[in-house]
Amino acid sequence: ETGVTQTPRHLVMGMTNKKSLKCEQHLGHNAMYWYKQSAKKPLELMFVYSLEERVENNSVPSRFSPECPNSSHLFLHLHTLQPEDSALYLCASSQDFYRMVSPLHFGNGTRLTVT
Amino acid sequence: TQLLEQSPQFLSIQEGENLTVYCNSSSVFSSLQWYRQEPGEGPVLLVTVVTGGEVKKLKRLTFQFGDARKDSSLHITAAQPGDTGLYLCAGVVDSSYKLIFGSGTRLLVRP
Repeated sequence: ETGVTQTPRHLVMGMTNKKSLKCEQHLGHNAMYWYKQSAKKPLELMFVYSLEERVENNSVPSRFSPECPNSSHLFLHLHTLQPEDSALYLCASSQDFYRMVSPLHFGNGTRLTVT
Repeated sequence: TQLLEQSPQFLSIQEGENLTVYCNSSSVFSSLQWYRQEPGEGPVLLVTVVTGGEVKKLKRLTFQFGDARKDSSLHITAAQPGDTGLYLCAGVVDSSYKLIFGSGTRLLVRP
């Protein structure tokens, strides 16, 4: 399998649930990203990992907790979410975070609905 | 603060028509990327421009980076239904590593 794979594709969870989103990249890239995509809003960068170290945390609430166990895998742990957290969560990778002309390769996202 | 303004937000045209999408900012970008996102999928890179005044062509798509590196445009000639999707511009703010996305232009090409 090639590219960036995200699971699950769809997730419905209650406000008291705990769930995790998974992302895997098979491109040999050094950087991985979590983005949030809401209707009529620009893509919002949430977290960036470069060589498994977190290099960016864009004031994201603590109910979102990222984990990067190795350069190929990225998780987003979800706990006590709010309905306004419902969105498409996109994972992406790039060759090198510090070389920003390198393009982002996105997964197909997880459509999250918080009830 | 929205650094990248895209216009129009939505465009519905007939197959065969031409169109231009704009991406504007008051900030200078060291590079700018255009992505297309189809329903149910993640964005896919179309092009990266890095030099002020640069023009790149990808079949029927022509991309231009403004001379001052603050704006960009995407022109599609003879649009086809397969061009339907959300077009996103994204710029790297000068002297930073941050990639900022515009809010997108949703294009519908009717057969």
